[in-house]
Amino acid sequence: SAVISQKPSRDICQRGTSLTIQCQVDSQVTMMFWYRQQPGQSLTLIATANQGSEATYESGFVIDKFPISRPNLTFSTLTVSNMSPEDSSIYLCSVLDRYDGYTFGSGTRLTVV
Amino acid sequence: DAKTTQPNSMESNEEEPVHLPCNHSTISGTDYIHWYRQLPSQGPEYVIHGLTSNVNNRMASLAIAEDRKSSTLILHRATLRDAAVYYCILNNDMRFGAGTRLTVKP
Repeated sequence: SAVISQKPSRDICQRGTSLTIQCQVDSQVTMMFWYRQQPGQSLTLIATANQGSEATYESGFVIDKFPISRPNLTFSTLTVSNMSPEDSSIYLCSVLDRYDGYTFGSGTRLTVV
Repeated sequence: DAKTTQPNSMESNEEEPVHLPCNHSTISGTDYIHWYRQLPSQGPEYVIHGLTSNVNNRMASLAIAEDRKSSTLILHRATLRDAAVYYCILNNDMRFGAGTRLTVKP
């Protein structure tokens, strides 16, 4: 199955700053997904990122706040912009593995102070 | 909103079978039913998926209703390491519901 390297694994950031999260996949994938998981909650889909096109955002998420890049078929970034404490969460990326469903990164635990 | 509904929690005894249900009444003909589980402090882990026929793998079995509006994940012998939140999702949607928190008692 695909292997995802997600960085950073955790960070503590000042409010008003931005953090860019990276996901590197060991194989070429068409679609990548970005999720947010708040403590004790389920995963919430932020956006779907296809290579070569603009990301598609879910209701409640906007590009200015969560810009996404997808420069090639193995890499994507999610930026959390102008952070506030409400952005403290775990952020995960996911890809469709050819044979084993969807594979998830290990997550980025973000704390905004 | 997610297109699947599951019980919030279930309990099982160790080494007993566990049947985790999922309803997906608005499933379309091209939707695959996927199951994932999430252990504490980890990302979700793929368990199994299927379209129409029942499926078996080394982790679990998936029983799909004939009308495809519901499915059941079967863990044949629960172990303490199976304690996790189990999510059922449709691959054309990829929105997670609340999942079922499985507790396994020794």
